[in-house]
Amino acid sequence: GQSLEQPSEVTAVEGAIVQINCTYQTSGFYGLSWYQQHDGGAPTFLSYNALDGLEETGRFSSFLSRSDSYGYLLLQELQMKDSASYFCAVRDRGYQKVTFGIGTKLQVIP
Amino acid sequence: DAGVIQSPRHEVTEMGQEVTLRCKPISGHNSLFWYRQTMMRGLELLIYFNNNVPIDDSGMPEDRFSAKMPNASFSTLKIQPSEPRDSAVYFCASSFQAGGYEQYFGPGTRLTVT
Repeated sequence: GQSLEQPSEVTAVEGAIVQINCTYQTSGFYGLSWYQQHDGGAPTFLSYNALDGLEETGRFSSFLSRSDSYGYLLLQELQMKDSASYFCAVRDRGYQKVTFGIGTKLQVIP
Repeated sequence: DAGVIQSPRHEVTEMGQEVTLRCKPISGHNSLFWYRQTMMRGLELLIYFNNNVPIDDSGMPEDRFSAKMPNASFSTLKIQPSEPRDSAVYFCASSFQAGGYEQYFGPGTRLTVT
């Protein structure tokens, strides 16, 4: 089966940098995705890592270490609008589907 | 592109009634997913289709739930009979990859069963 762990809540100051970690266990790892969901909204795709290393997209970056079964989402220059829940999701080669973590609720404070 | 379309956006029904949720995926996407989201259980995958064929329905909670995808542009999720514990937000998502690491979600249907 698959399991993912990420912190349930994180608080950070506007303008700062925050890192949201995700560890996973899966029988046949294929890749790690990140999604953002604002309260009352739908999840939206942020990034995908299939290989080790850092992927940067504007203020957001995502990192993957396959040997450590670990990834993180890095948000820089935090803005109030970044307050949302962030989900990591693992794509399992064997199951050919994506499983979502429980989500990390990020609160950005002034 | 209009994105993934779901209807209705809100549904309030009484226990025992049949509920049908509808989804139109993004044109050209060949994978479709139905999710349920609650505070207690998070985002749960119920079923997913690839090229209109159900690939994995292991997340469907029980026989009261059924899903169909008669063609590439339409899918339904049916609950019969509905129960209060089915109250949740139901999302449909589509992807152009099998398995879908990049999924596009619809706005969701908020279901309340009284």
